Amino acid sequence: KAGVTQTPRYLIKTRGQQVTLSCSPISGHRSVSWYQQTPGQGLQFLFEYFSETQRNKGNFPGRFSGRQFSNSRSEMNVSTLELGDSALYLCASSLEAGNGYTFGSGTRLTVV
Amino acid sequence: GIQVEQSPPDLILQEGANSTLRCNFSDSVNNLQWFHQNPWGQLINLFYIPSGTKQNGRLSATTVATERYSLLYISSSQTTDSGVYFCRGGADGLTFGKGTHLIIQP
Repeated sequence: KAGVTQTPRYLIKTRGQQVTLSCSPISGHRSVSWYQQTPGQGLQFLFEYFSETQRNKGNFPGRFSGRQFSNSRSEMNVSTLELGDSALYLCASSLEAGNGYTFGSGTRLTVV
Repeated sequence: GIQVEQSPPDLILQEGANSTLRCNFSDSVNNLQWFHQNPWGQLINLFYIPSGTKQNGRLSATTVATERYSLLYISSSQTTDSGVYFCRGGADGLTFGKGTHLIIQP
């Protein structure tokens, strides 16, 4: 079966712009979670959605937002990009919220 | 804030060796999970282990929630075990450790 698909794989944006990243979960998985990975801060949890409802949110500013659609696909949006937002953004899906995650390959965002 | 400390930070072993990775929590342990990120960046969820012991092949994990720590055991290491091992947990169940960077040499 198809894995977790994240698009795009690579992205270069300018400071001040906004960006939308997409995540298509494994068929049947209703939970999608997002993570940011940087050399300095390591892996950090952004948010988790289950059946279109946000279940948990990490400690990130309001510029970071997300949503989940009825088909379980999810998007995350970052507005007013800063240089420090440059990171690998990972998405994971699972049958239920909280465990059993399958990760996508990530979107590498570079802010210049 | 919530502290999740992993040790050792780096580990270099020969193929066939065994290893123990540790994760300590400053607060309570909730929703404890172990992950492996291979050298190409792919993350894999190894264990969901809020308490007790689980085994999956050469890997096993033990969480002692009352003492706020978890251990990941890797036996008969293979070069494919190389990468970074992360634990996640803490009072909010969402905080990652900085990881243990494991290199298995042939």
